[in-house]
Amino acid sequence: DQQVKQNSPSLSVQEGRISILNCDYTNSMFDYFLWYKKYPAEGPTFLISISSIKDKNEDGRFTVFLNKSAKHLSLHIVPSQPGDSAVYFCAASAGTGKLIFGQGTTLQVKP
Amino acid sequence: DAGVIQSPRHEVTEMGQEVTLRCKPISGHDYLFWYRQTMMRGLELLIYFNNNVPIDDSGMPEDRFSAKMPNASFSTLKIQPSEPRDSAVYFCASSLATGLNYGYTFGSGTRLTVV
Repeated sequence: DQQVKQNSPSLSVQEGRISILNCDYTNSMFDYFLWYKKYPAEGPTFLISISSIKDKNEDGRFTVFLNKSAKHLSLHIVPSQPGDSAVYFCAASAGTGKLIFGQGTTLQVKP
Repeated sequence: DAGVIQSPRHEVTEMGQEVTLRCKPISGHDYLFWYRQTMMRGLELLIYFNNNVPIDDSGMPEDRFSAKMPNASFSTLKIQPSEPRDSAVYFCASSLATGLNYGYTFGSGTRLTVV
């Protein structure tokens, strides 16, 4: 059973516009959520996180929104840049230190 | 620090052969994780260790898979015998206990192809 789901395998956006990546989860015990970014032939790297006690966290061009009632989170990238083209993974933790990842969404930012 | 180091980067083996993947975590990190990446399931957690002790191996798909951490600076993931459906990218990651909510540090992965 996939506890963390990213239903969009891919997303294409024009440079300068907003990219919105979505993630849904099923386990109400999750209390921390993270986004990772992965370039080809490299390991995933941490991008941004949010605690379940918050509904928004911002870091430069990246903002994560959490809607606990809908069990949904999203990552907004504004403005999108070609260097943002990568696979983005959503992950969640229930306090055990174990991260459960989604399937990933491939973002392509076109110049 | 050189980060999490995995070897080999690529491995091609024949079905039925034994495969051993290796990982050196970041010095001082007390958590080590093994993940597998496939198109269908994304990043799946296979097993993780805390202070060299396996804590949760519920993600290990079959008895053909085994993992060890003989000391704080080395871990192996072994598949015996290997099958074509084991083909995937295998990642090792490490973390400090206090850094779990800030994300793990991943290695560059081992791309395994079983023919």
